[in-house]
Amino acid sequence: QSVLTQPPSVSGAPGQTVTISCTGSSSNIGAIYDVQWYQISPGTAPKLIIYGNNNRPSGVPDRFSGSKSGASASLAITGLRAEDEADYYCQSYDATLSGYVVFGGGTKLTVL
Amino acid sequence: QVQLQESGPGLVKPAETLSLTCTVSGDSITSHYWGWIRQSPGKGLEWIANIYYSGTTNYNPSLKSRVTISADASKNQVSLKLRSVTAADTAVYYCAREKNNGYGEFYDFWGQGTLVSVSS
Repeated sequence: QSVLTQPPSVSGAPGQTVTISCTGSSSNIGAIYDVQWYQISPGTAPKLIIYGNNNRPSGVPDRFSGSKSGASASLAITGLRAEDEADYYCQSYDATLSGYVVFGGGTKLTVL
Repeated sequence: QVQLQESGPGLVKPAETLSLTCTVSGDSITSHYWGWIRQSPGKGLEWIANIYYSGTTNYNPSLKSRVTISADASKNQVSLKLRSVTAADTAVYYCAREKNNGYGEFYDFWGQGTLVSVSS
C-alpha cells in the first residue's frame, strides 16, 4: 500500500482535460515537502514532468500543470493527446521514521 | 546529456543477494545524490535508497535491513545490493539522478531499468 493515494485510472477524449489527484498526510505533502509527477509510457524510462509542485522541466509541454493544496496535489493535462496515454505517479518526501522518498500507487491514463 | 545504465543478473535465486550497478555518463557522480527505485509487476514505484559519493546514505525503512548502496567515483558508478531476496523482490530496478530544491528529493534523469526476477 502506497503512502500517497492516487486513483487507479482516469480517462478522457482527445482535446479534453483530465486531472489526477494525489492525497498524502501531514508528514509528507501536508508538511513542507514538494510534490513531483512522473510519466511512464510502456517500454520507456520514467520521465519527470512536474517538480516543485508546479514547475515543468525543459521540454515538457505547458499542457501539463501541477498544483498543491494542503495535504493533496493534482496533475492537470489539458488538450489531451494520444501520446499522453501512460502511467502517472506522484512523489514526495515523508518525514516519519528517518525520512524517506514516497510515491503514489500510480494512475493509468487512457485516451479514448 | 546525462545517461544512466543499469546492469546485473536478470535472475536471482531466493535467499541470495541481488547485485546491480548503475553506470553514469554525461555527469559526475560526485555532483549529485543518486537513487535506486523499483517497480514490481503490476505495482507502483518504490524508493529503495540514495547515496552521495562521499558515503552519505539513506534507506527505505521497509528495506533498510537488507539493502546496501555504494558508490565508486573512479568508475562513476553506483551499486545496489539486496540480500535474502524473495519473489516479492522481482521488479524492474531503476537508478536515477537525484535533485533537492530544499523541499524534498526528486529524480530528473532515469535509467531504462533492468528487470530482475527472483526464482529457483
